[in-house]
Amino acid sequence: GNSVTQMEGPVTLSEEAFLTINCTYTATGYPSLFWYVQYPGEGLQLLLKATKADDKGSNKGFEATYRKETTSFHLEKGSVQVSDSAVYFCALKARGGNTPLVFGKGTRLSVIA
Amino acid sequence: DTAVSQTPKYLVTQMGNDKSIKCEQNLGHDTMYWYKQDSKKFLKIMFSYNNKELIINETVPNRFSPKSPDKAHLNLHINSLELGDSAVYFCASSSGDYSNQPQHFGDGTRLSIL
Repeated sequence: GNSVTQMEGPVTLSEEAFLTINCTYTATGYPSLFWYVQYPGEGLQLLLKATKADDKGSNKGFEATYRKETTSFHLEKGSVQVSDSAVYFCALKARGGNTPLVFGKGTRLSVIA
Repeated sequence: DTAVSQTPKYLVTQMGNDKSIKCEQNLGHDTMYWYKQDSKKFLKIMFSYNNKELIINETVPNRFSPKSPDKAHLNLHINSLELGDSAVYFCASSSGDYSNQPQHFGDGTRLSIL
């Protein structure tokens, strides 16, 4: 079946550090890939997405590139801020109608000043 | 505001009770979902409805019964609540047939069973 594997957290970084959160997936066919973010006490918000190989999704300084050859979708940001502290979820959605999101287990990021 | 809204935000109740969580979306989407997030933050699909029809039911106990009166609403009723039902429940919606369309989530309902 389809699955997503994320690096385990928590990840603690100093402000302005470089962030990478690894994500790899297993899926039949070519899924769409997403990163969602959950700030403390809130619901999930879409951060970025990519729908085909070599697409790069980007938003708020975060980037992720859909790599078919390595089945990966790693999240990166060049300089994190305290306000980026949250839980980050990698997810895939298989082709075909009405398929649900399959989530990774989430990675908690804490950024300290 | 256009959004997915769910009520209540917090629900504290005794074991054995029956409770409902409501979800409404005004985004014009035709597919709605319920997800459960456990204490370790792991998110898993429970149900999916498309145009009021059940599409996905992921090995959820039959104490959980979703109801979709129209395609803008997907409510979740839970009978005989158990301690293990304590979790955060998220409603979401999307344009069903297009896998590249993201799902929009509500703010969650935190259910605590005493």
